[in-house]
Amino acid sequence: RKEVEQDPGPFNVPEGATVAFNCTYSNSASQSFFWYRQDCRKEPKLLMSVYSSGNEDGRFTAQLNRASQYISLLIRDSKLSDSATYLCVVNRPAAGNKLTFGGGTRVLVKP
Amino acid sequence: EPEVTQTPSHQVTQMGQEVILRCVPISNHLYFYWYRQILGQKVEFLVSFYNNEISEKSEIFDDQFSVERPDGSNFTLKIRSTKLEDSAMYFCASSDADRGRFYGYTFGSGTRLTVV
Repeated sequence: RKEVEQDPGPFNVPEGATVAFNCTYSNSASQSFFWYRQDCRKEPKLLMSVYSSGNEDGRFTAQLNRASQYISLLIRDSKLSDSATYLCVVNRPAAGNKLTFGGGTRVLVKP
Repeated sequence: EPEVTQTPSHQVTQMGQEVILRCVPISNHLYFYWYRQILGQKVEFLVSFYNNEISEKSEIFDDQFSVERPDGSNFTLKIRSTKLEDSAMYFCASSDADRGRFYGYTFGSGTRLTVV
């Protein structure tokens, strides 16, 4: 089983709609969780950390479910500029500062 | 906002040649990393570096790879004898002390390495 798994998509989303997708992780000792955004052939950019209590940053909401070992990202009021690949990223204590990336979920927001 | 800078942005090299990819981490950061991403695949960890030595490396980081911090600002990745399968985007990153695991870290814009 892959350490971090994501639905590759693409999720085709009408502009203004809400989209949500999950990521599952296999190692229950995973400690830190992040969503990164990656545009085509660019570097990953940190979108937000994911906390146990859930957290929100503008139109973006992240949730963590430790019991089921998944994290989610919800985007409200989608903008054309939200079109990107969203990378689920995990760190576990035994791995030092190493981050493990999922394969990404591609989101296409269309007018 | 502080940035991690990488040069060159694109490097084309012949198979068997040595390449050096350069990175200037954020100035007060202490932990440095190299990741790579083969086209269409996920981002993969190569190596982390702290206190002038490798702190962790992946299976990908074999004897053909080496890292160095030759002065107080640069962090380099050397591939001694490039193979076709080394073609990828190489991303450098840095983090502040041990915070990277909790707060994530900032990546440079990458070097696209093409081995022909």
